[in-house]
Amino acid sequence: DSGVTQTPKHLITATGQRVTLRCSPRSGDLSVYWYQQSLDQGLQFLIHYYNGEERAKGNILERFSAQQFPDLHSELNLSSLELGDSALYFCASSAGLAETGELFFGEGSRLTVL
Amino acid sequence: GQNIDQPTEMTATEGAIVQINCTYQTSGFNGLFWYQQHAGEAPTFLSYNVLDGLEEKGRFSSFLSRSKGYSYLLLKELQMKDSASYLCAVRDNDYKLSFGAGTTVTVRA
Repeated sequence: DSGVTQTPKHLITATGQRVTLRCSPRSGDLSVYWYQQSLDQGLQFLIHYYNGEERAKGNILERFSAQQFPDLHSELNLSSLELGDSALYFCASSAGLAETGELFFGEGSRLTVL
Repeated sequence: GQNIDQPTEMTATEGAIVQINCTYQTSGFNGLFWYQQHAGEAPTFLSYNVLDGLEEKGRFSSFLSRSKGYSYLLLKELQMKDSASYLCAVRDNDYKLSFGAGTTVTVRA
């Protein structure tokens, strides 16, 4: 158990819908990262928050948005869903800016868009 | 941006040694990392290199050459449980951590 909690674990929805994925980092961790992993692709970096502020942004679609709240949990919002958004969405956390490199990953939220 | 290349698949025999190579091109370098991911599970951290040289941690070692944009992960005394995907990741100066597509290692008895 990494200490990172993601909900829901599984989600099935229809095209055009909107979903919210939630992540609770390890206690005390200030950084939260979101990644997307499709069947035929590796981990694609979406966005990184540090202590409530957006730190870095990857190839995140405009239909996707995220935020980190004062209690340090984070939410990833996916809207106008398309079939291609079906993937495993991972959240990871680190104490600071991961100076030692270690990110702790949650178990992921598997999104299926029908 | 970052471009990270690693072999798609490797197969080795139990007890043997396997070396997984990773080459990268990045606009700014702030560390190279290796993660292990078993099918359907979350990635777990294996190693971190920021300076040139070899880092050894038990049966796993990782090497970095910044001038060559090259790293390798060495897995010794392979066990069946080592069958997994091994992900090379590079962090840039903005602390963005980008992953390669991963190398699937299959350990045969």
